[in-house]
Amino acid sequence: QKEVEQNSGPLSVPEGAIASLNCTYSDRGSQSFFWYRQYSGKSPELIMSIYSNGDKEDGRFTAQLNKASQYVSLLIRDSQPSDSATYLCAVKGNYGQNFVFGPGTRLSVLP
Amino acid sequence: DAGVIQSPRHEVTEMGQEVTLRCKPISGHDYLFWYRQTMMRGLELLIYFNNNVPIDDSGMPEDRFSAKMPNASFSTLKIQPSEPRDSAVYFCASSLGSTGAQYFGPGTRLTVL
Repeated sequence: QKEVEQNSGPLSVPEGAIASLNCTYSDRGSQSFFWYRQYSGKSPELIMSIYSNGDKEDGRFTAQLNKASQYVSLLIRDSQPSDSATYLCAVKGNYGQNFVFGPGTRLSVLP
Repeated sequence: DAGVIQSPRHEVTEMGQEVTLRCKPISGHDYLFWYRQTMMRGLELLIYFNNNVPIDDSGMPEDRFSAKMPNASFSTLKIQPSEPRDSAVYFCASSLGSTGAQYFGPGTRLTVL
């Protein structure tokens, strides 16, 4: 059973702080990793993808991948109230196109 | 470019009725996915297609659910007969080749009374 786990939150951070979202996965053969943001009542929106160990930065967002520890994280620098949403981690295995989504972490950025 | 298009955006029906949800993927994408999202179970993959061919339907909850993709630009998810426990938001997503990134439509909020 492939599993993706996330802290459900809510995670509350003050405006301007760094928000750190974590995700662990069970399938050691997983190759592709994605972070989605979902506002209440809306569809998931792709934020970042990462495929190799290390860090990948895009604006205020940094994804970190450690395949040995089966761990992927998302850092949001200078958090804004507009970042308040649920963040979904998705993991794609080595075969096929099946994504496994985590349950999501609800982030609240307080003004 | 237009994103994934879904219709209807909201559907309210009575138990036992047939429900058909529609999806138009992003032009050029060769994979199409149907998901269901509820508070209790989160985002669940129901079925996905590659080049219009169903590849994995192991997530379809039961025989009341069926999906088709008659051409590269259109797919349907049908529930017959519908039950109150089918109430959820149904998302369609598409992706291109091996990049794996999926792009979601706005969803259809289904309520079965």
